Amino acid sequence: DAGVTQSPTHLIKTRGQQVTLRCSPKSGHDTVSWYQQALGQGPQFIFQYYEEEERQRGNFPDRFSGHQFPNYSSELNVNALLLGDSALYLCASSFLDRGAYNEQFFGPGTRLTVL
Amino acid sequence: KQEVTQIPAALSVPEGENLVLNCSFTDSAIYNLQWFRQDPGKGLTSLLLIQSSQREQTSGRLNASLDKSSGRSTLYIAASQPGDSATYLCAALYNTDKLIFGTGTRLQVFP
Repeated sequence: DAGVTQSPTHLIKTRGQQVTLRCSPKSGHDTVSWYQQALGQGPQFIFQYYEEEERQRGNFPDRFSGHQFPNYSSELNVNALLLGDSALYLCASSFLDRGAYNEQFFGPGTRLTVL
Repeated sequence: KQEVTQIPAALSVPEGENLVLNCSFTDSAIYNLQWFRQDPGKGLTSLLLIQSSQREQTSGRLNASLDKSSGRSTLYIAASQPGDSATYLCAALYNTDKLIFGTGTRLQVFP
């Protein structure tokens, strides 16, 4: 089991550009959550996808959007990049059991630098 | 507002010391509390998960406790080693399936 994988590892963009980050969940997992971690801070919840729908969303602008595919993999898209979007973007996968909480497993992250 | 705070922000100790990392949360209605380790520039590795009905969890040299009434959790590391050097994050889960993280404690264990 490869665990949660993310691509690319690093990315450098300039202000105003658009970026797409990718995540493949752990085998058997159907739910993907995305977090943004600025330098020296704890991760902040962006949104969560289940059954190809956005299930819940954190306090992030509409420039941040996502998608989940039938194979449960997910993409995070950020439009009109700002310098403040520079961060480590973490993907976490889990299995949604409505009667209980299932542990989230995190990928290695994508380091995005906006110049 | 649901917030998580970690104290201290940084800690430097000699090898072999026992140490305690603290985590506080404002809303006691948590589902569980999770401790993670993060190496520089890397993702998160789950260390321990304590369900709201539990008081503590142990894994090797690590022991985590949970006191919902006081809004506190502690991570106890016994006989610290240089390989324990990392940032330790705690995260609280409420009825929303999203983790709320603290800002972390950066630990350095020197030989």
